[in-house]
Amino acid sequence: EDQVTQSPEALRLQEGESSSLNCSYTVSGLRGLFWYRQDPGKGPEFLFTLYSAGEEKEKERLKATLTKKESFLHITAPKPEDSATYLCAVPSVGTYKYIFGTGTRLKVLA
Amino acid sequence: GAVVSQHPSRVICKSGTSVKIECRSLDFQATTMFWYRQFPKQSLMLMATSNEGSKATYEQGVEKDKFLINHASLTLSTLTVTSAHPEDSSFYICSARRSGLSTDTQYFGPGTRLTVL
Repeated sequence: EDQVTQSPEALRLQEGESSSLNCSYTVSGLRGLFWYRQDPGKGPEFLFTLYSAGEEKEKERLKATLTKKESFLHITAPKPEDSATYLCAVPSVGTYKYIFGTGTRLKVLA
Repeated sequence: GAVVSQHPSRVICKSGTSVKIECRSLDFQATTMFWYRQFPKQSLMLMATSNEGSKATYEQGVEKDKFLINHASLTLSTLTVTSAHPEDSSFYICSARRSGLSTDTQYFGPGTRLTVL
């Protein structure tokens, strides 16, 4: 059964304290792994798509990496404005539907 | 590019009334749109997949007569909550999959907060 698991569930960091969020997946035939950021009361904002193991993508203080079993979202020197819930998702086999992880709620303290 | 809008952003209605939510892809065409529901501090729950020119596909447990979906054009899908009750109060989010590309990327709207009194 296709599954996506994110950890930790919640993370509190001091400003400037780098860390990583994890997204583990099991799916037969990966057609991409997607990272989103969601602020309270808003829809998810697209961050990255990763398609193959070894691929990396960066955007400002964020870098996403992908292996055959998991993806990491590395946050370097975070700022309070990076506080949000980060979601990862993979398409379900044979459909365009996403399987979402439960998300990681990140809080960056000034 | 890849902007999705939703209207209204917030709606308050009385129990028994119907509410229509619009989802538009502003700068791309979307043959497939999705409707989600999100409860506080929970992840998104897919309600239905909306395909342009055909009937929507509903997830198990979602009442199709309660949540009417119409995808009449490549840039517009609507969700109508019929005879709304307080338990229908929630945050509704749509997404659109960009047509013509191999990517499965979904772009999300800003969401609609529905409160039923």
